[in-house]
Amino acid sequence: GNSVTQMEGPVTLSEEAFLTINCTYTATGYPSLFWYVQYPGEGLQLLLKATKADDKGSNKGFEATYRKETTSFHLEKGSVQVSDSAVYFCALRVSYIPTFGRGTSLIVHP
Amino acid sequence: EAGVAQSPRYKIIEKRQSVAFWCNPISGHATLYWYQQILGQGPKLLIQFQNNGVVDDSQLPKDRFSAERLKGVDSTLKIQPAKLEDSAVYLCASSEEVGNYGYTFGSGTRLTVV
Repeated sequence: GNSVTQMEGPVTLSEEAFLTINCTYTATGYPSLFWYVQYPGEGLQLLLKATKADDKGSNKGFEATYRKETTSFHLEKGSVQVSDSAVYFCALRVSYIPTFGRGTSLIVHP
Repeated sequence: EAGVAQSPRYKIIEKRQSVAFWCNPISGHATLYWYQQILGQGPKLLIQFQNNGVVDDSQLPKDRFSAERLKGVDSTLKIQPAKLEDSAVYLCASSEEVGNYGYTFGSGTRLTVV
């Protein structure tokens, strides 16, 4: 079956630090990959996506590259801000079937 | 465009009572999903509709949960009777039928069963 594995949180960083949140997946077929962000008390918002191997998704300074050879889609940002504090979910979609990871909490201190 | 609308925003009920949640997806989105998100976990798919037909309900506890999507637009999710472990946020999402564009989520309904 399909599955998504994310690194355990919380990830705690100082403002302007470099961020990496690891995500690996297993899937049958050719999935599309996504990162979602959930701010406290809100629903999930699509952050970025990649639909095929070697694609790079980017948004708001965040980036992730679809690596088929390592089945990974790690989320990165060069300089985090306090406002980036949230829970980040890696997800995949094969056909119409979505699968989410457990989420990684990010806490950014001033 | 308007987002995915859900109501109510919060609900507190006693165990063994019934509860219903409502979702209005983005106009034109044929696919609708209901997720259960327990605190500290990722969303778990309960049921997926394509128009008014069920695509996948393998993780829906059918002895107590039911869902319908009349006319392929709005959807309701019902729990009867509720258990303490049903306390969670229930998220509705919708997506376009064709392509892999991700989902648009509503803000969710936070259910507390006491």
